[in-house]
Parts: sequence; C-alpha cells; structure tokens
Amino acid sequence: EAGVTQSPTHLIKTRGQQATLRCSPISGHTSVYWYQQALGLGLQFLLWYDEGEERNRGNFPPRFSGRQFPNYSSELNVNALELEDSALYLCASSLYTGTDTQYFGPGTRLTVL
Amino acid sequence: QQQVKQSPQSLIVQKGGISIINCAYENTAFDYFPWYQQFPGKGPALLIAIRPDVSEKKEGRFTISFNKSAKQFSLHIMDSQPGDSATYFCAAGFTGFQKLVFGTGTRLLVSP
Repeated sequence: EAGVTQSPTHLIKTRGQQATLRCSPISGHTSVYWYQQALGLGLQFLLWYDEGEERNRGNFPPRFSGRQFPNYSSELNVNALELEDSALYLCASSLYTGTDTQYFGPGTRLTVL
Repeated sequence: QQQVKQSPQSLIVQKGGISIINCAYENTAFDYFPWYQQFPGKGPALLIAIRPDVSEKKEGRFTISFNKSAKQFSLHIMDSQPGDSATYFCAAGFTGFQKLVFGTGTRLLVSP
C-alpha cells in the first residue's frame, strides 16, 4: 500500500512569491491535514480537509489556504511568502471513520529567500 | 490551554538502557495521546497511542504511561537500540476534531 506522497520535495522561493504544495493521501483516506514543522517548534496544525471541505484551521494567517480535490488529493497555497514561512510542510491523511490515526508524508521543504 | 509541553529536548542513552520522554498537557478535554517517531528526512510515523481510560499501554519495547490526575504522559523505550535514535513527538487530540497538538520533540541518541 502506497503511503502519503508529497511534491515537490524541495521548493525555493523568494519573499513575496506564492508557493503551491501538493499531497496525495493513502488510497481510501478521505481526510487530509497540513502541518508546519519549523525548526525547534514541533509541528503546528495548519488545515484539515475532508470530503472537499475545510473542517478546521489552525492559528495561521489567511495567506495560508488550500483545497481538496474530488480524488481527495490536496493543495496548500502560501501567498505573499515571508522569510519565517521557511519550514518543512507535512501532509497527513486518515480514514474519517472516527479513527484518529494520521499517517504522514515525507514533507516539502520550503525555503524562502 | 492547547499546549503540550515535552521534555527533555534531547536525550542520550546507552544501548540497552531505558529512554524516558515526558509530556504534560493542560486541556482536560484531550482524549487521544499518540507518540510519533521521526527519522531525518522522513515524516513522523505513529509509534503508539493511548486514551485516558487506561493508565498504561505496551507495544513491544515501547510503553506509554498515562497519569490523568497529573495531566502527564510519558514514553518509555526499554532496551534502547541505536536504531531507535530519532526525534520523538508526543501529541494530544480531540476525537472528532481531528486536530493534533504536538510537543516540541525530543531528539534521542542511543549510543552503541
């Protein structure tokens, strides 16, 4: 069974640009989560999508947005990039049947110069 | 109230020893407490999880101890091996809200 996949592996942008990160969940999983892992700060919850809808949002500004497609894959968009947006962005998926187990992808390393 | 405090930040244990990582939370509404293991260049992988209705859960060499009254939980790794060297994250969540609050991580090094 294929795990959660993310692309690209690395992304380098300059301040003010936009970044788009992609995630494909495990087959059969309908929920997708996005987390930011900045150095020394652990994982911070960003967004949760299920069945195409945004279900929950972390304490991040509106320039962090995303969507979930009919095939349950997801996209995270970060507009007006700032230097402090440099981090590892992790996507996770789960079966939305009441289970809490989230399976993580390898992440996208975003560097903002 | 949504924070999960994790300690120590780093830990060095000799091969065969016991590794202990502690976490504390404030919000008594949390009802799901997983531990994740992360190797360099990889995403976190679920190691073991516990709910507040039990005080201990064991899976192989990994044990979670849960103290509901103290609002603390800990991970014990028995007979620690060099292959256990990784960063460990505790987390807490609310069933149904699917949002996990993570600790800041513990970097474990098991020396041969």
